[in-house]
Amino acid sequence: DADVTQTPRNRITKTGKRIMLECSQTKGHDRMYWYRQDPGLGLRLIYYSFDVKDINKGEISDGYSVSRQAQAKFSLSLESAIPNQTALYFCATSENSGANVLTFGAGSRLTVL
Amino acid sequence: AQSVTQPDIHITVSEGASLELRCNYSYGATPYLFWYVQSPGQGLQLLLKYFSGDTLVQGIKGFEAEFKRSQSSFNLRKPSVHWSDAAEYFCAVGARGSTLGRLYFGRGTQLTVWP
Repeated sequence: DADVTQTPRNRITKTGKRIMLECSQTKGHDRMYWYRQDPGLGLRLIYYSFDVKDINKGEISDGYSVSRQAQAKFSLSLESAIPNQTALYFCATSENSGANVLTFGAGSRLTVL
Repeated sequence: AQSVTQPDIHITVSEGASLELRCNYSYGATPYLFWYVQSPGQGLQLLLKYFSGDTLVQGIKGFEAEFKRSQSSFNLRKPSVHWSDAAEYFCAVGARGSTLGRLYFGRGTQLTVWP
C-alpha cells in the first residue's frame, strides 16, 4: 500500500456541489498538507496541519476547508465547487523536522463542470 | 518572501544527451532546496535535496544538482538522459529554521526526450 493514499483519484462534478477529497497516511507523520497543481503554475499550498488541533491556511485557501480527523487523516472540502477549482490536488506529509521533505500522494484530479 | 523561478517551461533533448534544468530562488538566507519529479499520472517523487555541506548533491536515477550561493541557483543535471526521464520537474525551497514547515515550488519544467 502507498504511504499516502488519496481518494477519489478522479472526480467529475457540477458547479455548486459539495466535494470532499480524502487523504490518509501510514508514515506516522504529524504534518500534512493539501496542494493544488494547475498547468504552468506549479504547486500552491491550500491548507496545512501540524497536528490534529493545528490547522493553517496556505496561499489559496478561499473556497476550501479542511478537517484533520486523526493524525493519519486530512480531508479537503469544496463547499460549493466552481469551474476554476478544476485542478489536480495533492496531499503530502512530512516529518516534524524543519527540513520538510514531503511525501506526496498520487493526486486527485477534480473536474468541475 | 521566498520564491522559486524555473526559467524553462519546456525542454527537449535527445536520448543520451546531457541535461541541465535551471532553478533560481529568492530567499534571505540559505534555504533547504529540493528537486521533485512528476511522471505522467503520478505524484511527485523526491529526486534530491540540499540541506548543508557539499554543494554538489547526488540523487536518484543518476541526477545531481549543484547549489551556488552566489547565483542563488540550484540547477539539476544529468550526463546522459534516458527516455524514461521524460517528466515534469519541480524545484522547491523551504525556509531554514522556520516553524512554518512549508515548501515553495517553481512552476515546473516539462522534459521531452526524443529517441
